[in-house]
Order: sequence, then C-alpha cells, then structure tokens
Amino acid sequence: EIVLTQSPGTLSLSPGERATLSCRASQSVSSSYLAWYQQKPGQAPRLLIYGASSRATGVPDRFSGSGSGTDFTLTISRLEPEDFAVYYCQQYGSSPPLTFGGGTKVEIK
Amino acid sequence: QVQLVQSGAEVKRPGASVKVSCKASGYTFASYAIHWVRQAPGQSLEWMGWIIPGNGDTKYSQKFQGRVTITRDTSASTAHLDLSSLRSEDTAVYYCARSYSTSSEFDYWGQGSLVTVSS
Repeated sequence: EIVLTQSPGTLSLSPGERATLSCRASQSVSSSYLAWYQQKPGQAPRLLIYGASSRATGVPDRFSGSGSGTDFTLTISRLEPEDFAVYYCQQYGSSPPLTFGGGTKVEIK
Repeated sequence: QVQLVQSGAEVKRPGASVKVSCKASGYTFASYAIHWVRQAPGQSLEWMGWIIPGNGDTKYSQKFQGRVTITRDTSASTAHLDLSSLRSEDTAVYYCARSYSTSSEFDYWGQGSLVTVSS
C-alpha cells in the first residue's frame, strides 16, 4: 500500500498570498497517477488536479500541480477567499488500495 | 449534466448492516467505474472499493474484505454499497464517486450519505 504524507497539516495565510502544499509518497507513484482534491465543510471533495499537473475542467489557473515519483506539490498562486479549505492528494495508479493523504487545511491568518 | 445522487442518512445498531445507494444520471452509467469512499468525522478519506457497472467486476480494499459488497442495477443506473457487521468506528459519511477507468481520478462525487452506528 502506498502511504501519502501531506505537509504541513495546517497552513495559515492571508488572501493574496501564495500557498505551497506538499504530498510525499512512500513509494513511486506510477505514471504520475496523482490527484489533488479540495473539500469545504459539509461538501464532497472536488477534483482540482489529475495526472500530477493537469487542471480539471473549470479549475482556475491559479491552481497548479507539479512533481513526479514520490514528491508532489500543489501551488495556489494567489489565495482567493473561496480557496480556504482542506486539500487532499490521492494516488490511483497502483494496485488497490487507492489511497489519500491526511490533508492540509488552508486557513485564513 | 453529470449527477450522482445518494440515499439519505441512516442510523444503525452495532452488528447491523446498511445499504447506501448512488443514482447516476447525465452520462452512460456502464462506461464509468463507481468507487465508494468514506470519511469519519474530522478524518481523511478512505477508499473502500469499486465496481465496473458494465460487467459487474468489483475490487475491495482488504480492510473491508468480507464485510463490504458493491453491486449495481444497470436498469436503474444505480450502484449500491452494503456494509455488514457495523461497529461504532463505521460512523462516517459515505461517498460514491465516478472515474473513467479503475485507474483514473474521481471527476464527480455524490453528495455523501451519513451513516451513524450507535446503540
């Protein structure tokens, strides 16, 4: 099973600032089968990034993903008020189980 | 538009079973895998298993093997999650989600179904 470790656990930032979220895998994620999701309280997760760096339909270009192998990053270039939420990474390329990271909460400073 | 609409909240006693449904619309049900993911209060997301509606193939997380069954009714474009021998640790929101293949990202999610296990 591939374990995903996200850091930091909480990121306290102000609107307009840049957010950098990390996701580290216990073993290489094949073919960059790595996704990022955003979840707001009381809502289902929403797909932001797939294939490590491709934005899902309708996702603003302030969101970008990068990385390969075991180290991946989600960057939000300038935080908007609606971006304060919890973010999860997920790997979906290996044999089951598909796994999620523990999440990073981006909160207003 | 693609929608996954789940059944409502359930309260169950320990040892009981629960069935959660996920009705798909806006796309060809048989052409996309359906996954079940749960989220305990304040916790991260946990994948439980998937079904390929087109042929009924399933795969489960080893953690839930023997307690979970995922089925589908293609005539109703609906997938079902059955979880048996419930315990308090199974209290969670259960989500269904769609992916193009079993090795694809989850592009649409249901709204979630809260299952509470309490005596």
